[in-house]
Amino acid sequence: AQSVAQPEDQVNVAEGNPLTVKCTYSVSGNPYLFWYVQYPNRGLQFLLKYITGDNLVKGSYGFEAEFNKSQTSFHLKKPSALVSDSALYFCAVRDSLYNQGGKLIFGQGTELSVKP
Amino acid sequence: NAGVTQTPKFRVLKTGQSMTLLCAQDMNHEYMYWYRQDPGMGLRLIHYSVGEGTTAKGEVPDGYNVSRLKKQNFLLGLESAAPSQTSVYFCATRRVGGRGETQYFGPGTRLLVL
Repeated sequence: AQSVAQPEDQVNVAEGNPLTVKCTYSVSGNPYLFWYVQYPNRGLQFLLKYITGDNLVKGSYGFEAEFNKSQTSFHLKKPSALVSDSALYFCAVRDSLYNQGGKLIFGQGTELSVKP
Repeated sequence: NAGVTQTPKFRVLKTGQSMTLLCAQDMNHEYMYWYRQDPGMGLRLIHYSVGEGTTAKGEVPDGYNVSRLKKQNFLLGLESAAPSQTSVYFCATRRVGGRGETQYFGPGTRLLVL
């Protein structure tokens, strides 16, 4: 079965420091990987994705993610955190097209807190 | 373009009451999904649709029904609400195809069942 794991419920970072939010996955076939961000009382906003190509993917708001096939990881990174980055972050993988319409399988989410 | 919109934004129901959540999209996407979000569990798929007039069950379909009479609308119904259905409900659409593959989410509907 395909799955996504976010091993940290919460990540705390000081403003200006680099941040990493971890994600590992298990899929059959080539993975379609996504990161979404959810601000309080808001919907999910798309940040970035890996479909194919370069292992380092750049997305919105200065975020990037590194696809590592051997470690089955897709960690989200940012060189310098902002207080406004504080939010809930979800990693997701697209399921097989033949299983429930290619739904997204989500990790449980990681709460990022950036302190001034 | 509004993208994906959901109504209502918030609702309180008593056990046994019914309601319908409306999702509307202006992106002309064929695929639409209803997910529910519960603390510590990420999002789970309730029902989905691969096109107008079609619907299918997801991971957690019990207690819900859906309809897709028009391509742009996807309705989620609760016939007899239960406290276990207290959750945040998200509608999503899917842009299909290779490097453009992405799902877009609505702002959510917060439902409290007493």
